[in-house]
Amino acid sequence: GAVVSQHPSRVICKSGTSVKIECRSLDFQATTMFWYRQFPKQSLMLMATSNEGSKATYEQGVEKDKFLINHASLTLSTLTVTSAHPEDSSFYICSASSGEETQYFGPGTRLLVL
Amino acid sequence: AQKITQTQPGMFVQEKEAVTLDCTYDTSDPSYGLFWYKQPSSGEMIFLIYQGSYDQQNATEGRYSLNFQKARKSANLVISASQLGDSAMYFCAMRGPGATNKLIFGTGTLLAVQP
Repeated sequence: GAVVSQHPSRVICKSGTSVKIECRSLDFQATTMFWYRQFPKQSLMLMATSNEGSKATYEQGVEKDKFLINHASLTLSTLTVTSAHPEDSSFYICSASSGEETQYFGPGTRLLVL
Repeated sequence: AQKITQTQPGMFVQEKEAVTLDCTYDTSDPSYGLFWYKQPSSGEMIFLIYQGSYDQQNATEGRYSLNFQKARKSANLVISASQLGDSAMYFCAMRGPGATNKLIFGTGTLLAVQP
């Protein structure tokens, strides 16, 4: 149990375009989903916390207009990187929690902006 | 402020031997949770083990055990009988303050299991 999927696993896009990443909890209802960003050889950096049906809470320094998060249902959250630029290239990974302690992570999405 | 420290950037271990990955934490919150995750080269974060601050016994999950020393604020991960597939990055994490369930991660330890 506790499986989280992410799509796409890899994406390459042109500078200035927008990219949407989906995070789904497959076998449980995720009341809270988290979005992280990880640069090579570094730890995970929390970007935002989203609760189903409400606006996401962004961490300090994360631009909410650039990283749009929608948590429309108890099994789906999306992260849209708007007007992507090369510096947005990174590994984006989501996690989901049913309200208990443990967060279960998706497999991550590698974004490359050219 | 809460903080997680992993002082070992990398570790080697021989196959079938045990290895301890260090993690220390700092918090003023009496209620907290400690986690270990494994991240192989493919990138996914695999949950390994959880220890609650009020748990009386050290957590164990198969070959993984957590050496929880509350007074020292340490939560070391012990992997017994290492396997080649254990080679990965290991992150220690702590549940953040309040009821947000946010995780604060350490910088990670890269474990290499040698045949």
